[in-house]
Amino acid sequence: QQPVQSPQAVILREGEDAVINCSSSKALYSVHWYRQKHGEAPVFLMILLKGGEQKGHEKISASFNEKKQQSSLYLTASQLSYSGTYFCGSSETSGSRLTFGEGTQLTVNP
Amino acid sequence: DADVTQTPRNRITKTGKRIMLECSQTKGHDRMYWYRQDPGLGLRLIYYSFDVKDINKGEISDGYSVSRQAQAKFSLSLESAIPNQTALYFCATSAPDRGYGYTFGSGTRLTVV
Repeated sequence: QQPVQSPQAVILREGEDAVINCSSSKALYSVHWYRQKHGEAPVFLMILLKGGEQKGHEKISASFNEKKQQSSLYLTASQLSYSGTYFCGSSETSGSRLTFGEGTQLTVNP
Repeated sequence: DADVTQTPRNRITKTGKRIMLECSQTKGHDRMYWYRQDPGLGLRLIYYSFDVKDINKGEISDGYSVSRQAQAKFSLSLESAIPNQTALYFCATSAPDRGYGYTFGSGTRLTVV
């Protein structure tokens, strides 16, 4: 079953923060996050394993709440280059294939 | 050269024609995948392979077939193309070194008329 992403779309001004959520009704082993720019392939950002440890860099990070089966992607002080569609992909066991959410379109304006 | 190469990049074909999309990789990954992307529907899994002798159906395999010719090559065929197979197709690979994070090819935009 496909994970559910929210919001579907968000528009920011440069420097603002955003949170994208990814929820599943199934018990998950991992959640992956990808960013896709228009006309390009999705690019891997990071993976979260069950255990709830937050990962990422200073401005783009993510967490995984195992009890809620929800992952959140945090974009801090957004830059124009952050624009694109963000996908979460979930797996139920280690190394199993991913099921992707429908995506969240993020637009950062000057 | 790209790690995961898909050919062709763009293709227009007629209804009923057989067409093959090819994917090759230089990453040495055992696991390979075919997804299709449609606006508003995200990425949906067609077929996947965890090694040369392993082929598995995904959620939307009807009307498609695959061949894993070698570790580096994974081809997707549309036996008799129909217009609702018009989509953007992505090949991807994964390995344990990055937690099985995917590396995607550049995609093939297929139009069936």
